[in-house]
Amino acid sequence: QVQLQESGPGLVKPSGTLSLTCAVSGDSISNSQWLSWVRQPPGKGLEWIGQIYRSGSPNSNPSLKSRVTISVDKSRNQFSLKLSSVTAADTAIYYCARAYCTSNDCYLDAFDIWGQGTMVTVSS
Amino acid sequence: QSALTQPASVSGSPGQSITISCTETNSDLGTNNHVSWYQQHPGKAPKLVIYEVNNRPSGVPNRFSGSKSGNTASLTISGLQAEDEASYYCSSYAGSHVVFGEGTKLTVL
Repeated sequence: QVQLQESGPGLVKPSGTLSLTCAVSGDSISNSQWLSWVRQPPGKGLEWIGQIYRSGSPNSNPSLKSRVTISVDKSRNQFSLKLSSVTAADTAIYYCARAYCTSNDCYLDAFDIWGQGTMVTVSS
Repeated sequence: QSALTQPASVSGSPGQSITISCTETNSDLGTNNHVSWYQQHPGKAPKLVIYEVNNRPSGVPNRFSGSKSGNTASLTISGLQAEDEASYYCSSYAGSHVVFGEGTKLTVL
């Protein structure tokens, strides 16, 4: 079955850029139509960061839009997140997730497969 | 942007039923069926339990059900079990954005 695995630095300096990748295993990333990033600050709720349709144009949370870059690397079967100008408020567990799709439709807020999450701390 | 409001906490005894509400501040919930619910145990990734208001993914017990009335969606868990103790989040999709609710902590007494 399809599995997702996040990876990247666990510590990022303030004003720097957070860079994470999500490796897709068990299937070609081309078969996963909508791929998203979601984060969760310690002890707090979930926040959607953004999504990308295969290798199409990404959408992102308006509150983060100017700082977010999401892209797909089909050759490596992975997709990535870059978040620029980070502050302590960006400290969180970062998850990658895949939207649930049937043969007829995709449900873009229904994430049926999640990575295990990776903790990123913003600190000097 | 939309905001989804959930109660901070609910509780129930084993065997009972509980309902968690999710109310949207603008009219998006009332105009589409893009509402999902997630269960999250401490230290674990969220798990999808309901999508499109009232659909269960394969493997989710039929004790979990969803509904919607106007701008408020609801998740009902019947026959509460100890393993249901977790945080629950609603989500909605509208205008090319996904929004999550604030989360509800379910305590099984």
